[in-house]
Amino acid sequence: ETGVTQTPRHLVMGMTNKKSLKCEQHLGHNAMYWYKQSAKKPLELMFVYSLEERVENNSVPSRFSPECPNSSHLFLHLHTLQPEDSALYLCASSQSGGAGGEQFFGPGTRLTVL
Amino acid sequence: TQLLEQSPQFLSIQEGENLTVYCNSSSVFSSLQWYRQEPGEGPVLLVTVVTGGEVKKLKRLTFQFGDARKDSSLHITAAQPGDTGLYLCAGAPGNQFYFGTGTSLTVIP
Repeated sequence: ETGVTQTPRHLVMGMTNKKSLKCEQHLGHNAMYWYKQSAKKPLELMFVYSLEERVENNSVPSRFSPECPNSSHLFLHLHTLQPEDSALYLCASSQSGGAGGEQFFGPGTRLTVL
Repeated sequence: TQLLEQSPQFLSIQEGENLTVYCNSSSVFSSLQWYRQEPGEGPVLLVTVVTGGEVKKLKRLTFQFGDARKDSSLHITAAQPGDTGLYLCAGAPGNQFYFGTGTSLTVIP
């Protein structure tokens, strides 16, 4: 595997379910990100991890819970989501956590909340 | 209001035509990036501009950063069907990148 991979690619869940999104980067980067992409809205930065520490949390509801066990893996744990949480969730990585560097994105997980 | 406004939101042109898309803001950016996102994929970086007035070329794509570092444009010459995609600009007024809403480009063969 190369670059940034995300699993699953598609996920349908009910409002009472608990699921997790997984991201893995094979680039040796030190920073990882979760973004939410909804129709007609800009990409919204959700969380930033740098060297496995969370450095950014953009007022994301607590029903989204990130986990970064090491610099190559990032998870997004989901529970009691709402239909408006349906979106494409993108993971990205970069060499460092500061702005200006290139971010490498995964293909995303298309999430549908029923 | 969005930090970065992109226009037009949608653009459909014939193969071979030229086009320009814009990314505007009232904020000053230390750097600005352009990404292209194809259906079913994540965005891929095309270019980063950091100096006011800077012009960068990538084959048929020409990127310009405004003199005041508040806006940018992307010009495509002789568009090809392979240029189809969502073009996103991203600017960093500080230590975090903010993305625009994007321009969805369709090039018709």
